[in-house]
Amino acid sequence: GQQVMQIPQYQHVQEGEDFTTYCNSSTTLSNIQWYKQRPGGHPVFLIQLVKSGEVKKQKRLTFQFGEAKKNSSLHITATQTTDVGTYFCAGTGANNLFFGTGTRLTVIP
Amino acid sequence: NAGVMQNPRHLVRRRGQEARLRCSPMKGHSHVYWYRQLPEEGLKFMVYLQKENIIDESGMPKERFSAEFPKEGPSILRIQQVVRGDSAAYFCASSPSIYNEQFFGPGTRLTVL
Repeated sequence: GQQVMQIPQYQHVQEGEDFTTYCNSSTTLSNIQWYKQRPGGHPVFLIQLVKSGEVKKQKRLTFQFGEAKKNSSLHITATQTTDVGTYFCAGTGANNLFFGTGTRLTVIP
Repeated sequence: NAGVMQNPRHLVRRRGQEARLRCSPMKGHSHVYWYRQLPEEGLKFMVYLQKENIIDESGMPKERFSAEFPKEGPSILRIQQVVRGDSAAYFCASSPSIYNEQFFGPGTRLTVL
């Protein structure tokens, strides 16, 4: 079945360092979405990428969609303690979203 | 516009009892999704419903679990004869279509004693 793998599973960074999480799908995706889940909270939508090679920015966050539409990345520049949480990518299949396993980010002040 | 509502927020059941989880989607959203999240793990898709129809239930266990989204009222995820392994957070999400972002509810945290 369709799978979305995400690495790394955990990442600890010093505040101010950069952070990147990578998402890979076994099949071509129609689009990819990114969500953030704070500890004890629920997933919150960040962004959706649709086009091959698309790059979108939200302040310190940069999202990329691969040319083959099988992989994606989220890069955070100069992390802050408010960036703490788990970041999930999700690929759209025929009838549902396939969520990656998530990357849990810890930011050390 | 109220967000996705889920209740109860916390549910405690003994083994063998039934658990009923409710989800009211955002106004105007006819697509509802249920996910399960075990502690320290990611989100696992369970079922996708549109009004009165189950579109995809490939992620839902074949036994003891069922879901519905009636014409009137909230979507219900029902777990019969709960076991300890059912303890998890169950999230509901809604969207206008499969290709739009999903809005998640606060989740129901089920504990089976």
